[in-house]
Parts: sequence; structure tokens; C-alpha cells
Amino acid sequence: KQEVTQIPAALSVPEGENLVLNCSFTDSAIYNLQWFRQDPGKGLTSLLLIQSSQREQTSGRLNASLDKSSGRSTLYIAASQPGDSATYLCAVRQQTGANNLFFGTGTRLTVIP
Amino acid sequence: NAGVTQTPKFRILKIGQSMTLQCTQDMNHNYMYWYRQDPGMGLKLIYYSVGAGITDKGEVPNGYNVSRSTTEDFPLRLELAAPSQTSVYFCASSPRETAYEQYFGPGTRLTVT
Repeated sequence: KQEVTQIPAALSVPEGENLVLNCSFTDSAIYNLQWFRQDPGKGLTSLLLIQSSQREQTSGRLNASLDKSSGRSTLYIAASQPGDSATYLCAVRQQTGANNLFFGTGTRLTVIP
Repeated sequence: NAGVTQTPKFRILKIGQSMTLQCTQDMNHNYMYWYRQDPGMGLKLIYYSVGAGITDKGEVPNGYNVSRSTTEDFPLRLELAAPSQTSVYFCASSPRETAYEQYFGPGTRLTVT
């Protein structure tokens, strides 16, 4: 069964810093990997989707990388802002039973002004 | 487009009561999903549907039922509420192909006492 782990569970950084969030998964037979943002009491907002054949995706200040063979993905946030404070979740979609997303438990990010 | 909408936003149930969580999407997506998120945990799939009239179990289906009579609507039914069903419930949808992103609703916070 796929297990998705996110480290650290919580992270506080001063405004302006670059930071990296980590996601690891146990089964490398994935179809794609998706990074989400979740604000307190709100739903999930999709940030980036990386297909299994891709190495990275970029959107604005966000860059997500994928190393399928080692079971790792990173989300890089450049020049962090207080508005980036949220919980970040990664989720993988398996190649078999591809309708299921396996979620990590998230990293709670606080950007201090 | 309103995207994925869920009602109600909050609900308190007594043990043994029943209720239906509503989910509607206006993006003409064939795939729809129900997840639950327990405190400090990732999301787990309850049920999903690949089109009107077709539903299937996810990872944690016990205590729930679903139906999909139209493309737009995917209600989740709790027949005999139990404290273990206290959670935040998210509905999501995605286009036909599994390569696409999932879009999430704002969630329903359910407490069973």
C-alpha cells in the first residue's frame, strides 16, 4: 500500500526566505503527483501537477520536482511571503487503481513578517 | 463557474442519526470523489464515481453510501452516524482522464456526539 510522508510537519521561516518542502512515497509506480495548499477551515487548492514522465513544474514562485525512482518530490517556494502561510499537501496517484489519490499528512508553513 | 460546491458547511449529528452531504460540480467532470480528513491526517478516499450511474468503494467506505444519478451531483449518505465519523468531508471532481488535476470543494465539517 502506498505511504506518503511529508517532512517537516511544521515549518516557520522569516519573510523573504526561500524554502523547500519534502514529500516521499514508498511505491514508485505512480501516474502523477499533485501539490495542494490548504488554508485553515478551507478546501484544497491545486498548486502544481507533475506527470510521472516529468521532472519538474513551475508556477510563479513555486517549483515542484519529481524523482520517481527514489520516491521523492520537493516543493520549492522562492521569496516567501506571509500570504504563503498554509498547510501544503502532496498526493500521488497510482498507476493501478488510478482513481485513488494517496495523501501525505502535510507541512504547516508559517511565514513570519 | 462555481466549481465544486458542498452543503452544508457545518453539521452536528447525534449518534444514530442520518444525513446526506451534498456535492455539485458545474464543470461537466465525469469523475467525482468523496474524501474524509481527520485532524492532523491526510485525506482518505471514501467513494468515487467515474460517471453517472457508476460508483465504487475507496479506502474507507464503511458506514457510507453514495449515488450518482447525474453528472453534476454526487451525494454522500451517512445512515447511522457514529462518533468515528466526526471529520471534515471533501468532495472533488476531475475530467475524464486520470492525468488531470482534482478540484476540491470547501468541505463539510461534521461532528457526531
